[in-house]
Amino acid sequence: DADVTQTPRNRITKTGKRIMLECSQTKGHDRMYWYRQDPGLGLRLIYYSFDVKDINKGEISDGYSVSRQAQAKFSLSLESAIPNQTALYFCATSEPRGGTDTQYFGPGTRLTVL
Amino acid sequence: GDSVTQMEGPVTLSEEAFLTINCTYTATGYPSLFWYVQYPGEGLQLLLKATKADDKGSNKGFEATYRKETTSFHLEKGSVQVSDSAVYFCALSPGTGRRALTFGSGTRLQVQP
Repeated sequence: DADVTQTPRNRITKTGKRIMLECSQTKGHDRMYWYRQDPGLGLRLIYYSFDVKDINKGEISDGYSVSRQAQAKFSLSLESAIPNQTALYFCATSEPRGGTDTQYFGPGTRLTVL
Repeated sequence: GDSVTQMEGPVTLSEEAFLTINCTYTATGYPSLFWYVQYPGEGLQLLLKATKADDKGSNKGFEATYRKETTSFHLEKGSVQVSDSAVYFCALSPGTGRRALTFGSGTRLQVQP
């Protein structure tokens, strides 16, 4: 079984709808992240959480919110989806070790907002 | 702030050709450097990493050396295969404070038989 799972894998929705993307991990890591990927822009950080009570905005948090329900679960919400939020969304986890902090990624959720 | 710059793609090579994908960075302190690979339809996988100056990361025939004097972490492979076709991302993790990754924009590699 995959260590980092994301649901759904694909989602098509309409402008104005509320959407939740979910991420679960079995790696036992405290740190979790949400990124979006757009063609030619690489990955940009939306939110990150270093433990259940520690949530931080990333580079592009406007229009998004998150919830860290447990160490293993980190959800991303779009309160009112808009077309420019059409993108590939990745969840990642990490745990600092040996002076570095390697991130492990889920398979991604492809979101289309019409 | 921190930033990572990669060469633009796509890079198209014939099988067994030599590969170089350039990556330079701007960061304060002593960041860790990473190369991630994304195969079609999949998430990102760690390819290799280096945590201090002059370290060489290597995996699956790929290598990259952390060059502090030139702030670079170029990815190389001596003989590419069709199965290496993917998007490659250079990334850094800050040396101090909170450690969210900063990614480059990615370089698509296409290897032709």
